[in-house]
Amino acid sequence: DGGITQSPKYLFRKEGQNVTLSCEQNLNHDAMYWYRQDPGQGLRLIYYSQIVNDFQKGDIAEGYSVSREKKESFPLTVTSAQKNPTAFYLCASSNRARLYGYTFGSGTRLTVV
Amino acid sequence: QKEVEQNSGPLSVPEGAIASLNCTYSDRGSQSFFWYRQYSGKSPELIMFIYSNGDKEDGRFTAQLNKASQYVSLLIRDSQPSDSATYLCAAAINFGNEKLTFGTGTRLTIIP
Repeated sequence: DGGITQSPKYLFRKEGQNVTLSCEQNLNHDAMYWYRQDPGQGLRLIYYSQIVNDFQKGDIAEGYSVSREKKESFPLTVTSAQKNPTAFYLCASSNRARLYGYTFGSGTRLTVV
Repeated sequence: QKEVEQNSGPLSVPEGAIASLNCTYSDRGSQSFFWYRQYSGKSPELIMFIYSNGDKEDGRFTAQLNKASQYVSLLIRDSQPSDSATYLCAAAINFGNEKLTFGTGTRLTIIP
């Protein structure tokens, strides 16, 4: 079955540590997105990529980095520069989002310990 | 001004009644609109999308779009406790841009 897989489901980060969240899709979608969701809040766009080897900053890119070396994969690194990383991270993919919307992964919950 | 606005709720509706969720948007160039349902701790799932003015029905759900008033709504008929969730409205704001802009969501509680 086609889908979008995020791992791990839960992640704990120590202060000053970089961590990488995985996002893989087998839907043959061109575009991929990373959102952050804080409790009781909406989705805030971190980064997005519409084609391989290209990506753009979203509204809250500071302290995060991404790569898009393969169509299927769009990993997100939360760096030590991100001072408040505890949140629920959602990856999404789409072909022609204006027509079909996004498909979301199941999310990664990141906690700073 | 936020581009997509929703009343955060909570909205409480008795079981069996009609739940009405509303969303407004600021960009008149917006092309298409989406309703996602998100259960607590889970990822959003697409319920409906609408492109044209008027109503679109799918089972117990009806999406309504009024481009002149820049207003989108979702009606849930015969509300069930399983409909209790946060409902996110999203819009394709800029023509040619494949990004969606999300509202902050409305929390809906169906009271048995």
